[in-house]
Order: sequence, then structure tokens, then C-alpha cells
Amino acid sequence: SQTIHQWPATLVQPVGSPLSLECTVEGTSNPNLYWYRQAAGRGLQLLFYSVGIGQISSEVPQNLSASRPQDRQFILSSKKLLLSDSGFYLCACTGLIIAGELFFGEGSRLTVL
Amino acid sequence: GQQVMQIPQYQHVQEGEDFTTYCNSSTTLSNIQWYKQRPGGHPVFLIQLVKSGEVKKQKRLTFQFGEAKKNSSLHITATQTTDVGTYFCAGLDNYGQNFVFGPGTRLSVLP
Repeated sequence: SQTIHQWPATLVQPVGSPLSLECTVEGTSNPNLYWYRQAAGRGLQLLFYSVGIGQISSEVPQNLSASRPQDRQFILSSKKLLLSDSGFYLCACTGLIIAGELFFGEGSRLTVL
Repeated sequence: GQQVMQIPQYQHVQEGEDFTTYCNSSTTLSNIQWYKQRPGGHPVFLIQLVKSGEVKKQKRLTFQFGEAKKNSSLHITATQTTDVGTYFCAGLDNYGQNFVFGPGTRLSVLP
């Protein structure tokens, strides 16, 4: 079965500082990968998705960027964090059993002060 | 663009009562999915519906896809404290590449 590792689990950063969140996937090859953000008590907003190495699609204009340097590695970055970047960031990949199923990592909780 | 709405936003029930959350899309959907997120946790896939009027059951959970494929519901019979969490629907329309999530319904179950 597949496993998603996300780190760090929790992060507190000052405004203007850089950000790097990492996600790695095991147990599958060539997955579609996704970054979602969830504001407190809110739904899931798709930020980026990738269908292959070096292929990134952005869903919303923002202060963040994503990269996929390897098949099972997905990185979310920012050069200068804003207060509005606070939230719960979730990495997801396509499931193995049902087409379209999303399999989520445990998330990274970011607080920007 | 496609919008997915859910009602209610919050629901508090006594243990043993039934619970229903409704999902409505602004466009006709090809698929709809349901996820559950426990407090402090991450969303976990529950089910996917594809056919118009489809009904699927998982123990005490019943999922339904509307005839027009623009709405869906999740019904929990005789809620238990383990049902606590936020239930999200996610819809894929005929033109989209990715599922759009609704805002979720947060369920509290009082023992």
C-alpha cells in the first residue's frame, strides 16, 4: 500500500521568511501529486498539482510555488511568507484502488506570525 | 467556475440520532467523492459515486448521487462518537481535471 510522508508536521515562521514543505510518496510510481491548503475550519483549496517530474500546474495565483524534482517527491516553497499563508497544508496522491481517489498525507500546520 | 456547496456547515446530534449532509454542485458532475476528516487529522477517502441515482452503503453510512448528477447526500444512521469529524464532498465536472471540494459539514456527537 502507498504511504505519504510530509514534513515538518508543524511550523511557526515569521512574516517574510522562506518556506519549504516536503512530501514523499512510497508504494506507487508515477502518481499524480497535489498540494492543498486548508484554512482553519474551512474546506480544501487546491494549490498545485503535478502529473510528472518537472510538470507543475497552479490552480490559484499566490505567493507559493511547487516543484517535483523526482517522481515521488513534491515540494511546496515560498521566498517570503505572508500572514495569509497560515494554514494546514496537505499533500495528496492518486490512490491505487479506485481511479480518482485521493490519498492524503498527515499534513503540515503552518503558522505565520 | 465549478462550485460545490454543502449544508449544513455544522451539526450537533445526540448519540444514536441520525445525521445527513447535503452536497450541491453548480454544474453537472461526472463523479462525486466523500471524505472524512477527524479533528486534527487528514481527509480519508470514503467512497466514489459515478452513476445517476446511485446509492451505496457502508455499514451505517448511506451515500446517494442525485438523478441529475448535481447533488449528493451522506446519511449516517444511529450516530456514534466515532463518527465525529468533518465530512467533505468533492465533485468532478465533465470539463474539470481535478475534484473541487465542498466546504465540509462538521459533525459533533454528544454522548
